[in-house]
Amino acid sequence: KQEVTQIPAALSVPEGENLVLNCSFTDSAIYNLQWFRQDPGKGLTSLLLIQSSQREQTSGRLNASLDKSSGRSTLYIAASQPGDSATYLCAVKGAGSYQLTFGKGTKLSVIP
Amino acid sequence: KAGVTQTPRYLIKTRGQQVTLSCSPISGHRSVSWYQQTPGQGLQFLFEYFSETQRNKGNFPGRFSGRQFSNSRSEMNVSTLELGDSALYLCASSPTPNTGELFFGEGSRLTVL
Repeated sequence: KQEVTQIPAALSVPEGENLVLNCSFTDSAIYNLQWFRQDPGKGLTSLLLIQSSQREQTSGRLNASLDKSSGRSTLYIAASQPGDSATYLCAVKGAGSYQLTFGKGTKLSVIP
Repeated sequence: KAGVTQTPRYLIKTRGQQVTLSCSPISGHRSVSWYQQTPGQGLQFLFEYFSETQRNKGNFPGRFSGRQFSNSRSEMNVSTLELGDSALYLCASSPTPNTGELFFGEGSRLTVL
């Protein structure tokens, strides 16, 4: 059974700092990995999707990497802003599976 | 292009009642999946539909059911509500089950009293 872990559960950084969020998964037989952002009381916003054959994806100030062999992904946020404050969720789609397995998320606070 | 639309956004029910939640996927998307989000358990997969067929179901009791219509819209139903069913129910759509990226709606917040 796939398990996804995100550490730390919460992170507070000053504005302008670069930061890294971590995600680990137990079964390396994955189809893809997706990073989401969730604001309080809201749905999930897709940030980046990495296919199993890819090593990284970039969108603006965000960069996500994938190391299948070690079961790890990182989300790098450059020059953080207060508007980046949210919960960031990592989700893995297993090979041959129709569902996403989510981590519990990292709650990010960017202090002005 | 409109996103995933879920209705109602908020609802309050009492124990023993039943509830139906609706999801309209992004135009052209034929795969719809449902997830339950609670503070304790996080996001858990409920079920997934494609071409009006349930293709996969998570580990939830039979009180949780769903269906998909020919226009790809989906509904989920929870019967005999329990306090523990209080949660944010999220719907996601994708063009097909094997297309990578999922797009989520804003969710339906269910409170059971």
